[in-house]
Amino acid sequence: DTGVSQNPRHKITKRGQNVTFRCDPISEHNRLYWYRQTLGQGPEFLTYFQNEAQLEKSRLLSDRFSAERPKGSFSTLEIQRTEQGDSAMYLCASSPGQGSTEAFFGQGTRLTVV
Amino acid sequence: GIQVEQSPPDLILQEGANSTLRCNFSDSVNNLQWFHQNPWGQLINLFYIPSGTKQNGRLSATTVATERYSLLYISSSQTTDSGVYFCAVARNTGGFKTIFGAGTRLFVKA
Repeated sequence: DTGVSQNPRHKITKRGQNVTFRCDPISEHNRLYWYRQTLGQGPEFLTYFQNEAQLEKSRLLSDRFSAERPKGSFSTLEIQRTEQGDSAMYLCASSPGQGSTEAFFGQGTRLTVV
Repeated sequence: GIQVEQSPPDLILQEGANSTLRCNFSDSVNNLQWFHQNPWGQLINLFYIPSGTKQNGRLSATTVATERYSLLYISSSQTTDSGVYFCAVARNTGGFKTIFGAGTRLFVKA
């Protein structure tokens, strides 16, 4: 296992369409996090899972956003009815959750809404 | 929530120069990490350093948890060091979600 994997790397979509991103964490990491990063800013926390349970959601996560982590392995982030303001880099991270809290990030999915 | 401030916001260095980046945080933390974000957006782990000092090649970091700051030292800078350096902290409340500073944008000139 070489690290956190995110797909797709890039996504261009028309306003109003739905998009879904996937994150595969490092094996046996039971914590998984989603972040959003806009140009010139640091990443901002969106939501996190411990195993399959979604334990916290940021106020940034509007009702158009939904995240799942079935079976506590990979996770998906869906954005419905995309808006131009959703254009950003979406980053996924995982951490062991036991013994170490060090977070490891994927390469991100860059979303452009036109 | 906890605030993370990084300074300077921007830094231009001549190749070979040394630099110090600073990170201040507003409350006690259980975890502090330094990342380098490359031009393709990948966040590379540099240090996991809740306290103490660590060194890795030309880079070293020191965190003084009681005074709520951390420093990242870059010695003999190279053009490949260019990019954005982020400090990020986490607490044991809220699942250790990582809170980032705004970053220091470093450009190393040849």
